[in-house]
Amino acid sequence: DSGVTQTPKHLITATGQRVTLRCSPRSGDLSVYWYQQSLDQGLQFLIHYYNGEERAKGNILERFSAQQFPDLHSELNLSSLELGDSALYFCASSVSAGGSYNEQFFGPGTRLTVL
Amino acid sequence: DAKTTQPPSMDCAEGRAANLPCNHSTISGNEYVYWYRQIHSQGPQYIIHGLKNNETNEMASLIITEDRKSSTLILPHATLRDTAVYYCIVRVNYGGSQGNLIFGKGTKLSVKP
Repeated sequence: DSGVTQTPKHLITATGQRVTLRCSPRSGDLSVYWYQQSLDQGLQFLIHYYNGEERAKGNILERFSAQQFPDLHSELNLSSLELGDSALYFCASSVSAGGSYNEQFFGPGTRLTVL
Repeated sequence: DAKTTQPPSMDCAEGRAANLPCNHSTISGNEYVYWYRQIHSQGPQYIIHGLKNNETNEMASLIITEDRKSSTLILPHATLRDTAVYYCIVRVNYGGSQGNLIFGKGTKLSVKP
């Protein structure tokens, strides 16, 4: 158990819908990262928040957005869903924003299926 | 794009050492080598990281060549539970850097009885 929790574990929805994935980092970790893992693209970095502020963006679509709240949990919002958005979505947390020793702890993931 | 090259798959007999190679010929002086693994569809798990010295922890050893252009992750006594995809990642480790990890395709290690 990494100490990172993600809800829900599974999500099945239809094209065009909007969903919210939630992540709670390990106690004391200020950074939250979101990654997407699909069969054809592998593990792709989406976005990074540190202590409530966006720090870096990766291959995140404009239909996707995220935020980190004052209690440090984070939510990833996916809208206008398409079949190709079906994937595993992982959240990871770390103590720092990217400086020395930045081991990331990954949650169990949310499996999103878009029908 | 990932800055590393790994074999797509490897087999290892249970109880034997698993040696997973990684090529990172364009590594910069301030970039560290990290290893993560992903068991089935679970979240990736940190294994070890190093800069230029060999490193060892309770999970594995990391051997980095003197020119730092390649490294080897060693699982000393592989078990069936070590069957996973192993990712070698290079990234900088200084304040202000982006912390995200860039994953390549990794090596699928199959430990066989």
